[in-house]
Order: sequence, then structure tokens, then C-alpha cells
Amino acid sequence: RKEVEQDPGPFNVPEGATVAFNCTYSNSASQSFFWYRQDCRKEPKLLMSVYSSGNEDGRFTAQLNRASQYISLLIRDSKLSDSATYLCVVNWISNFGNEKLTFGTGTRLTIIP
Amino acid sequence: NAGVTQTPKFQVLKTGQSMTLQCAQDMNHNSMYWYRQDPGMGLRLIYYSASEGTTDKGEVPNGYNVSRLNKREFSLRLESAAPSQTSVYFCASSEAEGTGGNEQFFGPGTRLTV
Repeated sequence: RKEVEQDPGPFNVPEGATVAFNCTYSNSASQSFFWYRQDCRKEPKLLMSVYSSGNEDGRFTAQLNRASQYISLLIRDSKLSDSATYLCVVNWISNFGNEKLTFGTGTRLTIIP
Repeated sequence: NAGVTQTPKFQVLKTGQSMTLQCAQDMNHNSMYWYRQDPGMGLRLIYYSASEGTTDKGEVPNGYNVSRLNKREFSLRLESAAPSQTSVYFCASSEAEGTGGNEQFFGPGTRLTV
């Protein structure tokens, strides 16, 4: 089982629609959770961190369910500029106590005019 | 601030050739990382450096070596390139490792074909 699993998509969504992505992680000791955005042939950039209480940043809402080891990202009123690949990222603690990030393979989103 | 810079942007190697990928950051970050990204695999950590003077293996270190030259620079060396090392390589930096919530800033990537 992969440490972080995402639906690869692609999601093709009309402009203005709401779209949701899900992500599951396998390491129950994971402590920090993030959504990164990666545009085609570009580097990943942090979109938002995900907090236990859930958090919102404009049109974006992130939720965390520790019991189910599940993270979600909701995008409302989608824009053409939201077209990108969204990476679910989870931190994990190695056997030596080192903390690292594990990246999901990403969910590709295309917003259709 | 330039953030994280990488050179070269593109490289084609023959099997068995060697090369060094360069990375530099101007954000005074302590930690630096090298990842590779392959289709369907996600980003995988090759090596990291928690602070100047230290380096450690990540998930896929075989076939690579690294040098943390100073706080700013972290290079990745392929001693004898293999076709399996064809990938996009990203360097990243963060303020500190081990604190959980630190954002990682990525360079623009190097597209390597062997």
C-alpha cells in the first residue's frame, strides 16, 4: 500500500463548479499535512497546510480526518487558473526519528471554459 | 530574492557518463533536499541535508551522491548515469527539518535524459 494515495484523475470540471479531491495516508503517526499545487512542467508550490480543525483560504477548504486517515481539498467557484495537479503531502517519522515529507502522485484538474 | 535555483535546466547524458546538478538557495534555510519525480510515482526523496555539514539518505539514494558545500549550496552527483535515472530532479529547501510545519520551497527542476 502506498503511504499517500490520491485519485490521479483527470478531473475535467466546468468553470464555476465545485470540485473535491481526496487523499488517504497509511502512517497513523503522521503529524503534518499539506496540499501543494504543481502547474504543468513547473515546480510544486505550497497551496495550504491542513489543520485538524479544518481550514479555509478563500475558495479553498481543507479538511483532515485523523480517525480515517483522510484529507480532502474543496475548491469552490473554480477558475481556469485552478487547472493544475494537486499533490497531497504528509509528514512521517523515520525509524531514526527523522521527519520527512511523503508526496502523493497528484490529482490532475482541468477547468473547462 | 531568487529563491531556489537549479542548473542545468535540461541535460542529456549517455549511459555511464557522470554529471553534477547544482542547487542554491538565498533564503538562509537550514535544510535542503533532492527529489526525483517520475510519472505515476510522485516525488521521491533522494538525499537531504538537515543543516550545513550533514547529509543523509532518503528513499532512493542508490546511484547518487551529494555535497552540502555551504549553507546555500547542495549538489547532486550521478557518478555513472543509467537509463533508470531519467527523471525530473527538484531541489528544495526549508527553514528547518524536524519541525513539522515548515514549507518546502522548490527549484524549477532539471530534466535529465539518459
